[in-house]
Amino acid sequence: NAGVTQTPKFQVLKTGQSMTLQCAQDMNHEYMSWYRQDPGMGLRLIHYSVGAGITDQGEVPNGYNVSRSTTEDFPLRLLSAAPSQTSVYFCASRPLSGTSGGALTDTQYFGPGTRLTVL
Amino acid sequence: LAKTTQPISMDSYEGQEVNITCSHNNIATNDYITWYQQFPSQGPRFIIQGYKTKVTNEVASLFIPADRKSSTLSLPRVSLSDTAVYYCLVGPRYYNQGGKLIFGQGTELSVKP
Repeated sequence: NAGVTQTPKFQVLKTGQSMTLQCAQDMNHEYMSWYRQDPGMGLRLIHYSVGAGITDQGEVPNGYNVSRSTTEDFPLRLLSAAPSQTSVYFCASRPLSGTSGGALTDTQYFGPGTRLTVL
Repeated sequence: LAKTTQPISMDSYEGQEVNITCSHNNIATNDYITWYQQFPSQGPRFIIQGYKTKVTNEVASLFIPADRKSSTLSLPRVSLSDTAVYYCLVGPRYYNQGGKLIFGQGTELSVKP
């Protein structure tokens, strides 16, 4: 299985353009999330989802939309790109196991990242 | 959510043991401590997780004192390939106790020959 895949690997946008970063996983994981990573900084959580039809905001959700129509896919949409959104974006997934909400802090599997530049 | 504090960077030499300490003074009763490793141009990779005392796997050891306000990741006999950024995360084990996993700034470890 391919694990977590992200497309594209690189993207350059002009201010105001919109685009969708794709993320897919073939491990049947319920939990998926998007992070952004800026130079010299750690990863910041944008949005996350614990299953199809369920999404929630992370630390830095403004300017981004997500939806989860299937277990496999979790696209991240930039509605009107801004230079401040220049960053590397990582998608991650993990299973929710157990009967009482599922274990959250165990291994997350990360994709290879998308490097986005907004001019 | 518990905030974590780590050293920004550390230097070491091949063959040495490296200890990276993370402070988490506001850790909650149901929080676990998890460490990730990230190489340049790659996503983070899980290293180890623990709740209290000591946890050891084939890669590292994690030491957690009784008050759980800090934790130490120990990497035995590092090599050049251990050069990476190491992140300490503190968060609830189960989703219904709080669903966000927050990364801090991480510690950039540089291993020299």
